Amino acid sequence: NAGVTQTPKFQVLKTGQSMTLQCAQDMNHEYMSWYRQDPGMGLRLIHYSVGAGITDQGEVPNGYNVSRSTTEDFPLRLLSAAPSQTSVYFCASGFGELFFGEGSRLTVL
Amino acid sequence: GQQVMQIPQYQHVQEGEDFTTYCNSSTTLSNIQWYKQRPGGHPVFLIQLVKSGEVKKQKRLTFQFGEAKKNSSLHITATQTTDVGTYFCAGRGGSNYKLTFGKGTLLTVNP
Repeated sequence: NAGVTQTPKFQVLKTGQSMTLQCAQDMNHEYMSWYRQDPGMGLRLIHYSVGAGITDQGEVPNGYNVSRSTTEDFPLRLLSAAPSQTSVYFCASGFGELFFGEGSRLTVL
Repeated sequence: GQQVMQIPQYQHVQEGEDFTTYCNSSTTLSNIQWYKQRPGGHPVFLIQLVKSGEVKKQKRLTFQFGEAKKNSSLHITATQTTDVGTYFCAGRGGSNYKLTFGKGTLLTVNP
């Protein structure tokens, strides 16, 4: 089993560009979530989903969209990238125990 | 909203010394989880505590959940260089689906 797969691992964007971070899990988890990690800030919840078709906002949802059309996939969309969105993004799957992807390092110039 | 505070932010120890990180929540938690993140890596689950006053051990690691279910601690006995990393606590309150992370404690170990 692959667990949680995130792509891309690295991405550089210009301000105003849009992109999608992909996340897929093969553990049949209903609960999936996206976090961003910034130095000294820990992990902050962006959006989460409790099942296909159900999503909700976390602590820092502004500038991000999510959808959950299948149990396996939970993409995170940046609508119009800003330098403040430069961060490392982690997708996680599971509820009692979170399984994290390896992360996506995003730089917005 | 729910806040989870973690101290200290950094801890440097000599190999063989003990280490403790503390976690405090602004609200009562239904459970608390602990994760370890090695430099450049992703967080990895260590344990979940659910019961008031619960104490769990994993080899040299001891985890405690406070009686009021608002605080927790992780204690490492006789640190080794393999313990290097950032330790995060994460709490979930009541029927809340959201898992709130503390800012983490970065542990460095001098061999």
